[in-house]
Amino acid sequence: EAQVTQNPRYLITVTGKKLTVTCSQNMNHEYMSWYRQDPGLGLRQIYYSMNVEVTDKGDVPEGYKVSRKEKRNFPLILESPSPNQTSLYFCASSYSGPDSSYNSPLHFGNGTRLTVT
Amino acid sequence: QKEVEQNSGPLSVPEGAIASLNCTYSDRGSQSFFWYRQYSGKSPELIMSIYSNGDKEDGRFTAQLNKASQYVSLLIRDSQPSDSATYLCSNDKLIFGTGTRLQVFP
Repeated sequence: EAQVTQNPRYLITVTGKKLTVTCSQNMNHEYMSWYRQDPGLGLRQIYYSMNVEVTDKGDVPEGYKVSRKEKRNFPLILESPSPNQTSLYFCASSYSGPDSSYNSPLHFGNGTRLTVT
Repeated sequence: QKEVEQNSGPLSVPEGAIASLNCTYSDRGSQSFFWYRQYSGKSPELIMSIYSNGDKEDGRFTAQLNKASQYVSLLIRDSQPSDSATYLCSNDKLIFGTGTRLQVFP
């Protein structure tokens, strides 16, 4: 089954304790992206990747890191989480990213609800 | 001006009615648009894509794109309580509106 898999689904942690949220897709998609979703603010892009070893900042990158060492994986790293990073996080992928000649929609993972105390 | 804008709602319609959800955009270069449905606490799922001016129908859903007026809309015919969700519009740059919450009451 074609899917984007995120783990964990729920995570409660304390300020400053490094954490990683994993994301993997099995559709051989070029483009992968991380979003956070907060009430009233919609989906805000954190980082995205057009291909292996190519990553770029989105709208709200502060406090986050990503890597794209393999095509299928795009982990999100919070080196020193803070309470303002409490949010619902989504990983997504698409066949091709924005500004390509073939405009493809995003496939989303099931989300990770992160609470930082 | 935000690149993709939606009224946050809620839009309340009775069961069986037509729900009309609208999205405006500022980038005239946008060629295609996507509508996603998101149930509370769940991930967005694609319900419609529209790549050219005009209407596109899929079951109870119709997407309409008007490039001259820079808006895209989603019509849901015979609305059901199970259609109650937030509907997100995005352009081909994968920029999202904040979503419109739809409530269908019995």
